[in-house]
Amino acid sequence: DAKTTQPTSMDCAEGRAANLPCNHSTISGNEYVYWYRQIHSQGPQYIIHGLKNNETNEMASLIITEDRKSSTLILPHATLRDTAVYYCIVRVPDNYGQNFVFGPGTRLSVLP
Amino acid sequence: ETGVTQSPTHLIKTRGQQVTLRCSSQSGHNTVSWYQQALGQGPQFIFQYYREEENGRGNFPPRFSGLQFPNYSSELNVNALELDDSALYLCASSLQTGGTKETQYFGPGTRLLVL
Repeated sequence: DAKTTQPTSMDCAEGRAANLPCNHSTISGNEYVYWYRQIHSQGPQYIIHGLKNNETNEMASLIITEDRKSSTLILPHATLRDTAVYYCIVRVPDNYGQNFVFGPGTRLSVLP
Repeated sequence: ETGVTQSPTHLIKTRGQQVTLRCSSQSGHNTVSWYQQALGQGPQFIFQYYREEENGRGNFPPRFSGLQFPNYSSELNVNALELDDSALYLCASSLQTGGTKETQYFGPGTRLLVL
C-alpha cells in the first residue's frame, strides 16, 4: 500500500500557483519524498524529490515540513499543460529492489 | 523526453496467448523496472532487473517474467494472458551505484488489450 495520502482532485486557475499537498505521517528517517506526474496515457514524468530540505528546480518547488510528515509540491505558474495526475511517493533509495509504490494521486485540472 | 523507449506502443492479444514487451533504457542507466497500470489506477510494480538478474518483485504471478540484456535493455514476458492483463505497461530505467538507486525515468508505455 502507498504510504502517502493526497486529495483526489484539485483545480487551479491558469497562471496561478498550484499547491499540491501530500501527507506521509509514517515516513522513516531515510525515506525520500518523490513527485511524479502523468499526463493522460503517457508514462509518469519525474518532477522533483527531497529528503528534508526544500528543493527547487526548473519545474517546481518541494516544501517539506520540519517533522517531514507532510509536503507540498508547488507549480509556481500553472499552465494548461500542467493538467495531469500528480503522484507523491516516499521511498528509500537502497539496493534491495524496493521500488515506487504509487497511490491514486491527485488529478490537477488547470482551468483557463 | 527521458530517452527510455518501449515497443510496441499498442498491442492486441487474445486470452491464453503470450506477449513480449521491450524496453530500451536511458543511456548510462543499468537498472530497469517494469510496472503495470490498469485504467484509472496508479502504476503497480512488477519487477526490477539489475545486472541481468531479477532484483525485486511485486505481487505478480510467475507467468510474468523478464530478461535484461548486456546492453541493459529489457523484456517483459507474459504467458497465458488473461483479460485482466489489459493495461498500460511501463518501463523505467535508473542508475544503481553501490547501495543507492537513483531516480527512475519512465518510458511512454505499451498499451496491451487482451480480448
